Amino acid sequence: DTGVSQDPRHKITKRGQNVTFRCDPISEHNRLYWYRQTLGQGPEFLTYFQNEAQLEKSRLLSDRFSAERPKGSFSTLEIQRTEQGDSAMYLCASSQTGAGTYFGPGTRLTVT
Amino acid sequence: AQRVTQPEKLLSVFKGAPVELKCNYSYSGSPELFWYVQYSRQRLQLLLRHISRESIKGFTADLNKGETSFHLKKPFAQEEDSAMYYCALGHTGTASKLTFGTGTRLQVTL
Repeated sequence: DTGVSQDPRHKITKRGQNVTFRCDPISEHNRLYWYRQTLGQGPEFLTYFQNEAQLEKSRLLSDRFSAERPKGSFSTLEIQRTEQGDSAMYLCASSQTGAGTYFGPGTRLTVT
Repeated sequence: AQRVTQPEKLLSVFKGAPVELKCNYSYSGSPELFWYVQYSRQRLQLLLRHISRESIKGFTADLNKGETSFHLKKPFAQEEDSAMYYCALGHTGTASKLTFGTGTRLQVTL
């Protein structure tokens, strides 16, 4: 499968714990995005990388959230001191300049 | 502010009936509009881009800048069209960041 992959697919954690998600984009794509989706809503933009540079962050991304894309390949999204409100599907997507955006299967986070 | 509105949460049609999924947007720049589809237990997939002006799986969508709409249409619904459909707005100058609507679930029944 040459599409966007995400790991893990499901994560259950207790409030206050830290979690980290990984995204592997389509290999030739230079842009990588993180979105969050809650029940009954469409995906909401969190942050975006062009190669290894993080160029934009949404106001949704509090200081407990941090994303990295070392060497412009895979990306990680870390949430520190998780809260119940962080429970959501976290989607990664990638694109090449001028082309469509392709989504991964998502990581479903449940904070208990 | 950029916004995408999909007024219907659920659209139920009979097999063979025409389908129209509504999408309206607000954006001050030059919009790029997309339709994404999510079948049961599958990832979000790109269905249509307005700049491509193509028909995918029998679906078409025309950008109407006067009415700020990008409705998705299909003349004859099939059972396999049952899915969640999201309209999305791309932001010019911000590297394809997308603003999504809340989605419409299309249910095609016999």
